[in-house]
Amino acid sequence: QLVLTQSPSASASLGASVKLTCTLSSGHSSYAIAWHQQQPEKGPRYLMKLNSDGSHSKGDGIPDRFSGSSSGAERYLTISSLQSEDEADYYCQTWGTGIHRDVVFGGGTKLTVL
Amino acid sequence: QVTLKESGPVLVKPTETLTLTCTVSGFSLSNARMGVSWIRQPPGKALEWLAHIFSNDEKSYSTSLKSRLTISKDTSKSQVVLTMTNMDPVDTATYYCALHGGYVHWGQGTLVTVSS
Repeated sequence: QLVLTQSPSASASLGASVKLTCTLSSGHSSYAIAWHQQQPEKGPRYLMKLNSDGSHSKGDGIPDRFSGSSSGAERYLTISSLQSEDEADYYCQTWGTGIHRDVVFGGGTKLTVL
Repeated sequence: QVTLKESGPVLVKPTETLTLTCTVSGFSLSNARMGVSWIRQPPGKALEWLAHIFSNDEKSYSTSLKSRLTISKDTSKSQVVLTMTNMDPVDTATYYCALHGGYVHWGQGTLVTVSS
């Protein structure tokens, strides 16, 4: 079964960097994912699509401070030079294949900027 | 510029059927390798995927809600419609549509409250 696992929370200081992790379930390590940001009281915003080889394509207007990388079944979102507006929920999402073409979301990580 | 806008009732009564419409601008629903999802988010909770329709009209549904959901599209109107039957107060949520093309484009969402 295709499942995405995220830590519920993370924190980092203003101006620092943080690396959020999304883990694909066993047997799905080749899957691409997407990262989405949801600031408080706002709708989700697409950040990037991240492939298993670490290549990624960011959405329009997404700052260079946001980058993605991959290692095995892990997909990472790194945010550098943290700003107060980066405090948000971050969701990873992927797409099923074959006869199970579901869209799957991780449970989200709430990022606190200290 | 791709935009999506959800529309539908803000309040529905328990047991009623909810019908939501997602109107897409700036992107053709007949494009290959395209799909549109409906996702919801109860207050204070995580995103929950509901249903997806592909450009070839193939559909996929959340296993837990499959019996209550129907997704369809009208390419000529550039709309994707979701119906959810037998609404309950636990279905109170903001409902979003999202277009999966090269990127993922989100609508602004519409809050639906289920209450008598």
